[in-house]
Amino acid sequence: SYELTQPPSVSVSPGQTASITCSGDKLSNKYACWYQQKPGQSPVLVIYQDTKRPSGIPERFSGSNSGNTATLTISGTQAMDEADYYCQAWDSSTGVFGGGTKLTVL
Amino acid sequence: EVQLVESGGGLVQPGGSLKLSCAASGFTFSGSGMHWVRQASGEGLEWVGRIRSKVNTYATEYAASVKGRFTISRDDSKNTAYLQMNSLRTEDTAVYYCATGRDYGDYVVAFWGQGTLVTVSS
Repeated sequence: SYELTQPPSVSVSPGQTASITCSGDKLSNKYACWYQQKPGQSPVLVIYQDTKRPSGIPERFSGSNSGNTATLTISGTQAMDEADYYCQAWDSSTGVFGGGTKLTVL
Repeated sequence: EVQLVESGGGLVQPGGSLKLSCAASGFTFSGSGMHWVRQASGEGLEWVGRIRSKVNTYATEYAASVKGRFTISRDDSKNTAYLQMNSLRTEDTAVYYCATGRDYGDYVVAFWGQGTLVTVSS
């Protein structure tokens, strides 16, 4: 079965750039999505189709997908961005999530 | 505004059954695919399955972990999706989210409900 691998945790200082990776076999052949989940809340879509931002998502969130790795980049990270982030892709019409990355802003 | 409200969660014994409902509003339900995603306490997200719209023949797909035990259905006249769970196991204990891609399409899980807790325990 297809697997997506994320680092368990990433730390960033306020105002700096955070990068969260998601690795999977030939991932660039698939579209990747990214979700933000804060404690006690439902996930929120922040990036879809590798690079697109849904309405209402700040411009500081961006995405890329090349080779075996998709990357979520948060520029000028703010304290409110501290959350768990999950990548997701499709393999033969089956959804697959990465294990999640806890982003700490300190 | 998209609203998805799950109901039907609760405590069930191993081997038992439970049916979850997802009431939708604020978008064209009949034209949208519907997903179920679950999350065990302190764990990550797991995609459970999806039902597509009538134009896509109401096709369903499931994660390997639930295939043959879970069934997703929908009633477009009631703007409601369902998740029938049979032969439940302790490892099925999780918060179950209903979600939709709406006009983002069936391959984007764009809008999520608040979730309903299912506990499988004796």
